[in-house]
Amino acid sequence: QSALTQPASVSGSPGQSITISCTGTSSDVGGYNYVSWYQQHPGKAPKLMIYDVSNRPSGVSNRFSGSKSGNTASLTISGLQAEDEADYYCSSYTSSSTPYVFGTGTKVTVL
Amino acid sequence: EVQLVESGGVVVQPGGSLRLSCAASGFTFDDYAMHWVRQAPGKGLEWVSLISWDGGSTYYADSVKGRFTISRDNSKNSLYLQMNSLRAEDTALYYCAKDITGIPTYYFDYWGQGTLVTVSS
Repeated sequence: QSALTQPASVSGSPGQSITISCTGTSSDVGGYNYVSWYQQHPGKAPKLMIYDVSNRPSGVSNRFSGSKSGNTASLTISGLQAEDEADYYCSSYTSSSTPYVFGTGTKVTVL
Repeated sequence: EVQLVESGGVVVQPGGSLRLSCAASGFTFDDYAMHWVRQAPGKGLEWVSLISWDGGSTYYADSVKGRFTISRDNSKNSLYLQMNSLRAEDTALYYCAKDITGIPTYYFDYWGQGTLVTVSS
């Protein structure tokens, strides 16, 4: 099972909106609504930001939103803030012999 | 406060064995499925293994299947990962992660800080 494909980096200015894509196949992202997104600051453990494609856990800012179309999921961060600078990973359940896969990761830079 | 504290990471030779532990507190441990996730230095996240709340179901990534064994002791609020036949590519920071339910959802709402395993001669 290969990792889901994400852009290596995305950047934006404070206040702007950015979108991170996560491309898989019909065996993972496209086949199930079990997509999640994690934020990881340097030297820290990941934090769950989105689950079930578009649901936010309690305490996560509503500036973070998720969606999916076909085999591609997306994370949008609106009103970009300096604290949003981090690595972001998508993940999905898969029907392969490895039942769960992460994306390759995207470094978000706030200009 | 939920806490997950991993231990057991060391430098080990290729072909060697190691047992990681994760001590859980701040929640009812036997209500939740638990996972191990690893991250090689400077690399992305890789899911490794999961165990259901009662230990009755376990699953593994193909990359570790047949070499790693996940287990739990609910009486001790502890999660374990027995790692055998270690390879250089197993070098990583190993995180213990709590699922959001007892039935695995693969959504991790709490993570430990990780324990570093280095496989090198």
